[in-house]
Amino acid sequence: TQLLEQSPQFLSIQEGENLTVYCNSSSVFSSLQWYRQEPGEGPVLLVTVVTGGEVKKLKRLTFQFGDARKDSSLHITAAQPGDTGLYLCAGGGGTYKYIFGTGTRLKVLA
Amino acid sequence: DTGVSQDPRHKITKRGQNVTFRCDPISEHNRLYWYRQTLGQGPEFLTYFQNEAQLEKSRLLSDRFSAERPKGSFSTLEIQRTEQGDSAMYLCASSLGGVRGPSYEQYFGPGTRLMVT
Repeated sequence: TQLLEQSPQFLSIQEGENLTVYCNSSSVFSSLQWYRQEPGEGPVLLVTVVTGGEVKKLKRLTFQFGDARKDSSLHITAAQPGDTGLYLCAGGGGTYKYIFGTGTRLKVLA
Repeated sequence: DTGVSQDPRHKITKRGQNVTFRCDPISEHNRLYWYRQTLGQGPEFLTYFQNEAQLEKSRLLSDRFSAERPKGSFSTLEIQRTEQGDSAMYLCASSLGGVRGPSYEQYFGPGTRLMVT
């Protein structure tokens, strides 16, 4: 069974701090997506990475796919209150199925 | 296109009643998924459609749950004889992909929050 574990589960930081969220698995994925979800809303796709070692940047967010395509990280620079939410990673295998991570709940305090 | 839409956004029902939710995917997307999400957890896969064909149904889906996608466009998820344990957020997502092989970008709707009292 494929599993994706995210760490940390919860993170509360001050505005302006940096943080990194990790998404780890023992399985290889063909792609990995990161989502942010706000309370009462559906997850919003932030990025898709498909190549081992790939790094993508989205303003203050940096996403990296591990060389072996088993893990990924999300780094946020100078966090802002608007970054608050539930961050989810999801791995895609060779089929239509996605496996979702356990989630990281981030709170950025002003 | 405005993305994936779901209706209703919220539903409160009494135990034992039937409920039906609708999902309208992004128009050119042939793949459609239903997920269930409980508070603080990631989405759990319920079922998957490739066009109008329901290709997989999770063991989480008891016989009280049924989903359809009659013309390969919108989809409905019906829960019969609701139970309190059915209270959750029901999410629909769509993507583009062939009959076999991966799809890389999955887009979610806003969800339907169900509360069974």
